[in-house]
Amino acid sequence: QVQLVESGGGVVQPGGSLRLSCAASGFTFRNYGMHWVRQVPGKGLEWVTFIQYDGSNKYYADSVKGRFTISRDNSKDTLYLQMDSLRAEDTAVYYCTKDLHGGTGTGPSSYWGQGTLVTVSS
Amino acid sequence: EIVLTQSPGTLSLSPGERATLSCRASQSVSGNYLAWYQQRPGQAPRLLIYGASSRATGIPDRFSGSGSGTDFTLTISRLEPEDFAVYYCQQYPTSPRAFGQGTKVEIK
Repeated sequence: QVQLVESGGGVVQPGGSLRLSCAASGFTFRNYGMHWVRQVPGKGLEWVTFIQYDGSNKYYADSVKGRFTISRDNSKDTLYLQMDSLRAEDTAVYYCTKDLHGGTGTGPSSYWGQGTLVTVSS
Repeated sequence: EIVLTQSPGTLSLSPGERATLSCRASQSVSGNYLAWYQQRPGQAPRLLIYGASSRATGIPDRFSGSGSGTDFTLTISRLEPEDFAVYYCQQYPTSPRAFGQGTKVEIK
């Protein structure tokens, strides 16, 4: 069965950096586009970024463009999110999700991890 | 950039009743690429509907989606206790992949 397990969350000061990881299993990771979606506790969902199956195309929400970088290692079945210049408003649970349809991201998020909490606070 | 507006914000119903949730887009959603998700308290979201009307794997047939263009609807024909949750719509694949703000279905 599909499993997505995020890690790397924690407390970081404003202006700091953090790298999230998402370990995938139960499917052929290298064939699927992947997303990060975040949720401020008690609030709604916000799509953050997407990476194509081979890493050749990436898309970002305006709110994180230039500060966050998505990447993947298909040899390790792992997705990453490098977060730099963190702000208080980046505080959220971060979910990694698998695209439904395949490598180029033409589908919605079919599977979600359990999420990892990032808190940006001094 | 497409903005999705969900209504109502909260729906108070009893088990066994029918729920009708709305999602309106600020511009036409290409290809009717509109998805619905359910999020129960303390859990990650779960995909219910994609392509406006196709049920995802394992989703009971009491959940149905309809609509096109800018107006979409999620219908739950008879509410079960586990259906009381928050529901989100999302357009794809155009970036940014906006979500609606959510509709909470609560027990009356």
